[in-house]
Amino acid sequence: DVKVTQSSRYLVKRTGEKVFLECVQDMDHENMFWYRQDPGLGLRLIYFSYDVKMKEKGDIPEGYSVSREKKERFSLILESASTNQTSMYLCASSLGGASGNTIYFGEGSWLTVV
Amino acid sequence: DQQVKQNSPSLSVQEGRISILNCDYTNSMFDYFLWYKKYPAEGPTFLISISSIKDKNEDGRFTVFLNKSAKHLSLHIVPSQPGDSAVYFCAALTQGGSEKLVFGKGTKLTVNP
Repeated sequence: DVKVTQSSRYLVKRTGEKVFLECVQDMDHENMFWYRQDPGLGLRLIYFSYDVKMKEKGDIPEGYSVSREKKERFSLILESASTNQTSMYLCASSLGGASGNTIYFGEGSWLTVV
Repeated sequence: DQQVKQNSPSLSVQEGRISILNCDYTNSMFDYFLWYKKYPAEGPTFLISISSIKDKNEDGRFTVFLNKSAKHLSLHIVPSQPGDSAVYFCAALTQGGSEKLVFGKGTKLTVNP
């Protein structure tokens, strides 16, 4: 079974703090993704990475950055947290290419910015 | 501009009846479609997928139908069970393309006992 692990399930941070959300997958997947889910807006892609040290902006990258130093780990960074970044953050991974179009998600990280 | 649309934010059905969740897409380059199920406070879990070379894929109580000419797909759940109550997301991508799944906004299904 694919396992995508998000290290923090629930976080409360202050406005202006730097926030790190960590994600690890154990299936040697090429692709990793960060989404946020908000009521009525569905799943919106923040950033994705198709290889180590490679990253591409998704639909809503503003206010976020990412890091992928190792294949299994993909970090989402909020440089200066704001209240409108209060959300559920979902990490995901996929094998990529013709072999694996299915994306597997972690359990999510609930971030509240106060 | 939404490329994947789930026009019904919510759906309520009786236990034992059929649930039909609909999804429309606008990008004719999409050739692989997936459905995900999400419970509150959990990540989405993969449910079923279909390639554009097929028009139907079945897995137990779940069947996905694809109508390429109408750019429409639907998920049928028969019989519906209270444990099926969740938010269902439709997603699409272009194989060999950017590898990014494009999601709809989701439909909240409630199955009443």
